[in-house]
Amino acid sequence: NAGVTQTPKFQVLKTGQSMTLQCAQDMNHEYMSWYRQDPGMGLRLIHYSVGAGITDQGEVPNGYNVSRSTTEDFPLRLLSAAPSQTSVYFCASTRGSNTGELFFGEGSRLTVL
Amino acid sequence: GQQVMQIPQYQHVQEGEDFTTYCNSSTTLSNIQWYKQRPGGHPVFLIQLVKSGEVKKQKRLTFQFGEAKKNSSLHITATQTTDVGTYFCAGFLNSGYALNFGKGTSLLVTP
Repeated sequence: NAGVTQTPKFQVLKTGQSMTLQCAQDMNHEYMSWYRQDPGMGLRLIHYSVGAGITDQGEVPNGYNVSRSTTEDFPLRLLSAAPSQTSVYFCASTRGSNTGELFFGEGSRLTVL
Repeated sequence: GQQVMQIPQYQHVQEGEDFTTYCNSSTTLSNIQWYKQRPGGHPVFLIQLVKSGEVKKQKRLTFQFGEAKKNSSLHITATQTTDVGTYFCAGFLNSGYALNFGKGTSLLVTP
């Protein structure tokens, strides 16, 4: 099993460009989530999903869209990138809704110029 | 904003010294989890505490969950250079579906 796979690992965008961060897990986990990590701010929840077809907003959802068409995939879309979205993004999945460990991907480092 | 507060933000110790990080929540938590992130890496699950007053040990690491289930601590005895990293606590918000992380404590251990 590969666990949680994120692509790309690094990306540089110009302000206003759009892109999608991909996340896939092969553990048949129902719960998936996206976090961003900024220096001194810890991990902040962007969006999460409790199953295919169900998504909800986290603490910092503005500027990001998500969808969950399959159990395996949970892409994060930036429609019009801004410098404030420069960050490291982590995708995570877990078997249960409020129990059990989160499995994290290796992260995607995004720079918006 | 974040409802799980963690202190200190940074800690620098000499190898062999003890280390403790504290986590406090404004609301009662159903459970609390601890993660470790090595520099340049991703968070890795350490443990989950569920019961009021629970204490769990993993070798030199001791985890505690407060009686009111609003606070927790991680204590490392006799730190080693391999303990370097950022330690996060995390608890579920009221909805039960969103894991809320503290800002983490970055531990630096010098030999």
